[in-house]
Amino acid sequence: AQTVTQSQPEMSVQEAETVTLSCTYDTSESNYYLFWYKQPPSRQMILVIRQEAYKQQNATENRFSVNFQKAAKSFSLKISDSQLGDTAMYFCAWAAGGTSYGKLTFGQGTILTVHP
Amino acid sequence: DVKVTQSSRYLVKRTGEKVFLECVQDMDHENMFWYRQDPGLGLRLIYFSYDVKMKEKGDIPEGYSVSREKKERFSLILESASTNQTSMYLCASSSRGGGSRGYTFGSGTRLTVV
Repeated sequence: AQTVTQSQPEMSVQEAETVTLSCTYDTSESNYYLFWYKQPPSRQMILVIRQEAYKQQNATENRFSVNFQKAAKSFSLKISDSQLGDTAMYFCAWAAGGTSYGKLTFGQGTILTVHP
Repeated sequence: DVKVTQSSRYLVKRTGEKVFLECVQDMDHENMFWYRQDPGLGLRLIYFSYDVKMKEKGDIPEGYSVSREKKERFSLILESASTNQTSMYLCASSSRGGGSRGYTFGSGTRLTVV
């Protein structure tokens, strides 16, 4: 079975600084996707960034980037120039690729607080 | 604006009641999912459905059942609610091959069983 582990229950950062959230996963699949989701107090899950396992290049979306280390099964999220609106719960998630039903397996979540 | 709509944002039910949580999506997605969210445990999959009238157990199906009579609607049923089912419930949907196409989530139903 696939597992996703987020070892940091809580993190905090000052506005405008950079923070990195950690995620490790375990799978025997070769075709899969990795995601970071943000859940603000509104509870709406928002996709932050997605990585396809077969792509060597790390995904980036504006201030958000990942460090994908496939051999180490590590998928960390870096947030640059942190903003107050980044305060949220962040979840790392894994899904099989191909024609699967695409079930997401989530980590435990990391609460990120950005301080002014 | 495409969306997944969960019928209730907050619910309070009594122990032993039969509880229905409803989820509707307007994206013509094949796959629909019910997750339970608890502090320190993340989101755990209860049930999912990949087609009308089709369902599969997730990681924690005990005490729950589901119904999918129409493509757009996926219901989670607590047959006899218990206090350990107090939690946040999130519905999601995706097209076939969800990993490549993305997922859309509802805003969650916070259920309290007293």
